[in-house]
Amino acid sequence: QKEVEQNSGPLSVPEGAIASLNCTYSDRGSQSFFWYRQYSGKSPELIMFIYSNGDKEDGRFTAQLNKASQYVSLLIRDSQPSDSATYLCAVRGAGNMLTFGGGTRLMVKP
Amino acid sequence: SAVISQKPSRDICQRGTSLTIQCQVDSQVTMMFWYRQQPGQSLTLIATANQGSEATYESGFVIDKFPISRPNLTFSTLTVSNMSPEDSSIYLCSASGTANEKLFFGSGTQLSVL
Repeated sequence: QKEVEQNSGPLSVPEGAIASLNCTYSDRGSQSFFWYRQYSGKSPELIMFIYSNGDKEDGRFTAQLNKASQYVSLLIRDSQPSDSATYLCAVRGAGNMLTFGGGTRLMVKP
Repeated sequence: SAVISQKPSRDICQRGTSLTIQCQVDSQVTMMFWYRQQPGQSLTLIATANQGSEATYESGFVIDKFPISRPNLTFSTLTVSNMSPEDSSIYLCSASGTANEKLFFGSGTQLSVL
């Protein structure tokens, strides 16, 4: 069974701090990795994707991938209350299907 | 990114009835999928909607319960048949240009079964 694991949280950070969200996966053949943000009552919105080892930055967001450790993370700098949401990690394996983690609920407190 | 329209956005249905959810993409896409998200849970893939052929269902999901159509490269429907309260969930349509591309989601259908 291919698994994607996330801490369910909630992860609480003060406004302006760095939020660090983590995800591990079991399928060593996984090729691509995605982070989705989901506000309560809304559908998931793609915010970052990463295919290669290392860091990928987009604005306040940085995705980090370590395939050897089967670990992917999302850093949110200068966290804002509007970043409060559930963040879903998704992994695409060799079969091209996306497997989603359970999500981490982030709360950014003013 | 593809724009995906899904309807209805929500519905309240009686036990034993069926509901068909429609998904329209603003451009031709290779891959279309249907997911379910139960309250407080993550996304579970129901099936891959294949254009012009039978859908590919994931373990635990069967065609009799969740018939899917995909008549062309921009449209798909999911029917939830003979509903029970356990089917109360959010149903999400998603699409990607190719098997390796990013996946985008429709706005979802909030289904409540009484």
